[in-house]
Amino acid sequence: SYVLAQPPSVSVAPGQTASITCGGINIETKSVHWYQQKPGQAPELVVYDDSDRPSGIPERFSGSSSGTTVTLTISGAQVEDEADYYCYSAADNNQNWVFGGGTKLTVL
Amino acid sequence: EVQLVQSGAEVKKPGESLKISCKGSGYSFTSYWIGWVRQMPGKGLEWMGIIYPGDSDTRYSPSFQGQVTISADKSISTAYLQWSSLKASDTAMYYCAVNALGVDVWGQGTTVTVSS
Repeated sequence: SYVLAQPPSVSVAPGQTASITCGGINIETKSVHWYQQKPGQAPELVVYDDSDRPSGIPERFSGSSSGTTVTLTISGAQVEDEADYYCYSAADNNQNWVFGGGTKLTVL
Repeated sequence: EVQLVQSGAEVKKPGESLKISCKGSGYSFTSYWIGWVRQMPGKGLEWMGIIYPGDSDTRYSPSFQGQVTISADKSISTAYLQWSSLKASDTAMYYCAVNALGVDVWGQGTTVTVSS
């Protein structure tokens, strides 16, 4: 089955830039979306279609794609950005979808 | 406003059946795919499957095919996730989600606890 690989954890100091990667076979041909999940809450979409930002999401959240890796970047990370982040994409022909394993972002 | 409201928490015994619900409002329920996502305690998100309420076209993750049934009743704008025989390993939070009218919306989640 299709696998999206993420680092288990990323740490960043407040105000610095955090980068979370997501890799998968032929990922450069897919649209990748990113979710943020804080404890006790439902996930929230922060980036869709690799690099677009939903209304209401701060500009510090951005996405990019290069080769076989897609990256979520949080520029000037805030303490409130501490959360789990998941990439999400179609596995094959939009018949199945899959989440990455998730990355715990620590801001301290 | 697009909203998904899920049914309340459930506590069941192994072997029992269960059907949880997800009611959509604020959009054309029959025109957008609704998905279900599992999150086991302390674990990540797992895509289970999706349904198009307009014609009940349903897709399942290979991991969940045969383990659950996804359905919808478009007359009451409600999607369902059901089990015929629960296992302890089905203990988890279950979310429904839809991307409708350009907005990605999730239900509040339904906690299912299976314990003898």
